[in-house]
Amino acid sequence: GAGVSQSPRYKVAKRGQDVALRCDPISGHVSLFWYQQALGQGPEFLTYFQNEAQLDKSGLPSDRFFAERPEGSVSTLKIQRTQQEDSAVYLCASSFLPHEQYFGPGTRLTVT
Amino acid sequence: AQSVSQHNHHVILSEAASLELGCNYSYGGTVNLFWYVQYPGQHLQLLLKYFSGDPLVKGIKGFEAEFIKSKFSFNLRKPSVQWSDTAEYFCAVTAGRGSTLGRLYFGRGTQLTVWP
Repeated sequence: GAGVSQSPRYKVAKRGQDVALRCDPISGHVSLFWYQQALGQGPEFLTYFQNEAQLDKSGLPSDRFFAERPEGSVSTLKIQRTQQEDSAVYLCASSFLPHEQYFGPGTRLTVT
Repeated sequence: AQSVSQHNHHVILSEAASLELGCNYSYGGTVNLFWYVQYPGQHLQLLLKYFSGDPLVKGIKGFEAEFIKSKFSFNLRKPSVQWSDTAEYFCAVTAGRGSTLGRLYFGRGTQLTVWP
């Protein structure tokens, strides 16, 4: 079956622009995670959904970051007023069981 | 907070050499341990995992890892690497309990380059 998909794969934004990154999880996966991976680093947790409920957003670096999953399936990560330090790969992962995550290909965001 | 350390940032080997990548974590409670691999141009894939039981776990493509609780370690091994093993390897941990079951804490990764 289809894996986790993310769009766009690449995004270039000028500093101050808003961006929206989309994640389509594997059908039936109740858990959805967002991670941020800076160059040369491992992924870092941003936020977690169980169905439509956002149960943990402790990893969001600032109030410019916002995530939603209104119908418990597709999720969107929005970054307002992008800054250069937001440049990173944003990874989405979904799982049916708590400890078995399947990752998407990521969205590479470059803020100029 | 939990943290994961991977000691080697870049490892270069010739084909058929043996591999061991170090991983240590800091968390005193029950943990679940993972190794993920990212081949060039591909997404993160699960290589192997440890939840409980036999501390020596076997994964795909001939990889194995050993959980040593007393050393807080989960080192990855392969007896004989191949050129196709060239990739970045990430060690990751989840806490056994907590409001975010499954939240992964990653190490910074080890880039493995295998020369043919």
